[in-house]
Amino acid sequence: GNSVTQMEGPVTLSEEAFLTINCTYTATGYPSLFWYVQYPGEGLQLLLKATKADDKGSNKGFEATYRKETTSFHLEKGSVQVSDSAVYFCALKTGGYNKLIFGAGTRLAVHP
Amino acid sequence: EAQVTQNPRYLITVTGKKLTVTCSQNMNHEYMSWYRQDPGLGLRQIYYSMNVEVTDKGDVPEGYKVSRKEKRNFPLILESPSPNQTSLYFCASGTSGGLNYEQYFGPGTRLTVT
Repeated sequence: GNSVTQMEGPVTLSEEAFLTINCTYTATGYPSLFWYVQYPGEGLQLLLKATKADDKGSNKGFEATYRKETTSFHLEKGSVQVSDSAVYFCALKTGGYNKLIFGAGTRLAVHP
Repeated sequence: EAQVTQNPRYLITVTGKKLTVTCSQNMNHEYMSWYRQDPGLGLRQIYYSMNVEVTDKGDVPEGYKVSRKEKRNFPLILESPSPNQTSLYFCASGTSGGLNYEQYFGPGTRLTVT
């Protein structure tokens, strides 16, 4: 079946450090891939997405490239800020269905 | 402002006491869904609705009911809550399929069943 695997957290970084959060997926067909972010006490917000192989999604300094050959969609940011502290979820959607399948989430803590 | 609202935000209840969590969206979306979030498990879909009067089970529907009598509202009903339903619940609404697909999430309802 379809599934998403994320690296376990928490990830703890100093401000201005480079961030990578790994995400790999298993899916039939050609899924769309998403990163959602959840700030403390809030719901999930779409951070970025990619709908086909080799697409790069980007937003707020974050990037992720849809790699079909490695079934991956790793999230990166060149210089994190304290305000990036949140839980990040990788997710996929297949075909014409609206259902999102989420990974377990990775908590990021950025210290000054 | 486009948004999904949920009420209540926090609820503590006892085993067996029926409760309803309301969800409303103002974006005229056809698709709505309920998820629960548990540590280490991410979000899992409980029920979803493709349109008014059309609902279907997600991955973890046991112990829950839903209804969709109006397009904007999608309440989640726990007829006889049990402690294993203690969780953080999210309602979402979204556009239908396609490349511009996006789901919008409510702020969450933290439920504790004792």
